[in-house]
Amino acid sequence: GQNIDQPTEMTATEGAIVQINCTYQTSGFNGLFWYQQHAGEAPTFLSYNVLDGLEEKGRFSSFLSRSKGYSYLLLKELQMKDSASYLCAVRERSDYKLSFGAGTTVTVRA
Amino acid sequence: GAVVSQHPSWVICKSGTSVKIECRSLDFQATTMFWYRQFPKQSLMLMATSNEGSKATYEQGVEKDKFLINHASLTLSTLTVTSAHPEDSSFYICSARPGTSLSTDTQYFGPGTRLTVL
Repeated sequence: GQNIDQPTEMTATEGAIVQINCTYQTSGFNGLFWYQQHAGEAPTFLSYNVLDGLEEKGRFSSFLSRSKGYSYLLLKELQMKDSASYLCAVRERSDYKLSFGAGTTVTVRA
Repeated sequence: GAVVSQHPSWVICKSGTSVKIECRSLDFQATTMFWYRQFPKQSLMLMATSNEGSKATYEQGVEKDKFLINHASLTLSTLTVTSAHPEDSSFYICSARPGTSLSTDTQYFGPGTRLTVL
C-alpha cells in the first residue's frame, strides 16, 4: 500500500515563492513525480526525482530525500497562471504505475 | 512530441447505456497505457494498466466486466463503461508511457473525458 500526503491548499502572492511538501510511505520507491493540473484538464508533467537532491527547471525546482520519504516542489516568481493543483506521485516499482497524492491547490493572488 | 489525445472530451448518457472512450498516442508508440478516474476535488485513482496485445491489469476494487479495456495497437487503447450508472459519472483520464523513442520515465496524460450519466 501507499500513503502520500501533501497540504490541501496554499495561497501566495504574485512574484512570491511557494514550497509544496510531499511525504510518502510506500512499499517500494522507483521515482517521484510532480504534475500540474488546471481545473478540468489533464495533469502535465513538471519534474521527476529518483536520486536525492535538487532538480531545477526554470522557475520550478523539486527536491527529494529518500531516507526521509520527503519531497518538495518549489515555485518561484509566482504568476497568476500558476494557480492550479499540484500532484505528487510516487512510482513504487518498475512497472511504471503511479500512486498520486490528493493534490495541493495553489491560489496566486495579485 | 509526446501528445496523447482522448475522444470524446465529454459525454452525457442515459443510465444503462455503454460509453466508449478512446485514448491515442499521436506521435509515439505507447508500450503501456493507464486509465485513471478522478472525482471532483480528489486525486487520480488508477483503474487499470493496459499493455498492447495483452489483457489489462485492473486495480483492486475495479470491476473488469464493467470497465472493458482494449489495447488494440501501440497507439490506441479504449475504455468502455458498460451499463453506466450515475455513480460512474467522473473525469476519466488516460496516460501513455513511451517505448524507446522518448524517455520512458514519464507518463503523458490525455486531456480527459468528462462522463455524466443521467
